[in-house]
Amino acid sequence: DADVTQTPRNRITKTGKRIMLECSQTKGHDRMYWYRQDPGLGLRLIYYSFDVKDINKGEISDGYSVSRQAQAKFSLSLESAIPNQTALYFCATSDSGTGYNEQFFGPGTRLTVL
Amino acid sequence: RKEVEQDPGPFNVPEGATVAFNCTYSNSASQSFFWYRQDCRKEPKLLMSVYSSGNEDGRFTAQLNRASQYISLLIRDSKLSDSATYLCVVNINSNSGYALNFGKGTSLLVTP
Repeated sequence: DADVTQTPRNRITKTGKRIMLECSQTKGHDRMYWYRQDPGLGLRLIYYSFDVKDINKGEISDGYSVSRQAQAKFSLSLESAIPNQTALYFCATSDSGTGYNEQFFGPGTRLTVL
Repeated sequence: RKEVEQDPGPFNVPEGATVAFNCTYSNSASQSFFWYRQDCRKEPKLLMSVYSSGNEDGRFTAQLNRASQYISLLIRDSKLSDSATYLCVVNINSNSGYALNFGKGTSLLVTP
């Protein structure tokens, strides 16, 4: 099921580098989200967007920025990567029209910052 | 107090057993509730939405108790393929913003 895709799937980078993670979806959903997952901490919301040009901070937005270029695309940037941003990053989408707002996740990007 | 709390397990059960997971949430404004399944190093996948009246999908039954702020998931006739981590998820959408709070997950291992 390739409805939500993320690129790259794996990335190793160095401290201070700028990194962009891309998310695309073909589900036609209006809402998109970025999460990170760390062992023992569960999933935490970084940013979310309810439509194009709508950007909202989540629980842990510091050190990150996002761009919603089109309804189908939502990118996450780390302007200057640091080692504690090493994590598994997930993009998710949902459809506001369903009322219950179930979210559907991409396959994840494993990011390592050295 | 954490927003969503789950027993991390692991729960080790034999094939065919019935197993129940519980989850409590702290925010009474929570509006919608879900169980997700996550396999190791994979994305979470929606298992069930949890409705006020409770709902069943094959071997899986979910219950919601708003008064006690408690959600449960029951798995009957466990299969080896049920081995995974089960995430309890609670959605809050209020004037202060949107939040989808994930529990840290309960690990299930079904053995032959």
